[in-house]
Amino acid sequence: DAKTTQPNSMESNEEEPVHLPCNHSTISGTDYIHWYRQLPSQGPEYVIHGLTSNVNNRMASLAIAEDRKSSTLILHRATLRDAAVYYCILMSNDYKLSFGAGTTVTVRA
Amino acid sequence: NAGVTQTPKFQVLKTGQSMTLQCAQDMNHEYMSWYRQDPGMGLRLIHYSVGAGITDQGEVPNGYNVSRSTTEDFPLRLLSAAPSQTSVYFCASSYAGLYEQYFGPGTRLTVT
Repeated sequence: DAKTTQPNSMESNEEEPVHLPCNHSTISGTDYIHWYRQLPSQGPEYVIHGLTSNVNNRMASLAIAEDRKSSTLILHRATLRDAAVYYCILMSNDYKLSFGAGTTVTVRA
Repeated sequence: NAGVTQTPKFQVLKTGQSMTLQCAQDMNHEYMSWYRQDPGMGLRLIHYSVGAGITDQGEVPNGYNVSRSTTEDFPLRLLSAAPSQTSVYFCASSYAGLYEQYFGPGTRLTVT
């Protein structure tokens, strides 16, 4: 399985943007890039996913490098409710999600 | 829609006991899966199903059985509980494999 590398933790101030990097240098051409987040004591929650083009939804934006070896999840205006562990995951055509340790995001009021 | 529901929320078992963790979804999703999460770690896939009557193993299947007789339900059976199975268990479902997965609230299991 292709692996991802994320920083252990990141801090942000409330209402400021947060850029979460993810390296996936061994990504294959058919792997989708998925992002999930997990709030304390809850199940993971889908954030966004993409293949090659940048993607936007109501929660976040996903910027994918041209060579697809890295991507960045962008939270445009962090709120206290965005404090969570964020997982960058590659999904191949076996449809399995393989979670790493993720990035713990702390938002300061 | 209730989404993905899991029962029970908490369970304590003694070593050697068996039990079934229940998972149900009301979204008519074909794909369902079970994960476990140990303290401070990411989730690991136990078993998954791509439709009624079809199941397959994930990353850590030993000690667990699953079956999928209906689209809605995907129970996880612990055959003979061991302390190493102390964990939080999450069930998830999705419309199809590549679509977003919806997770249940989890079952916190302690095996003594």
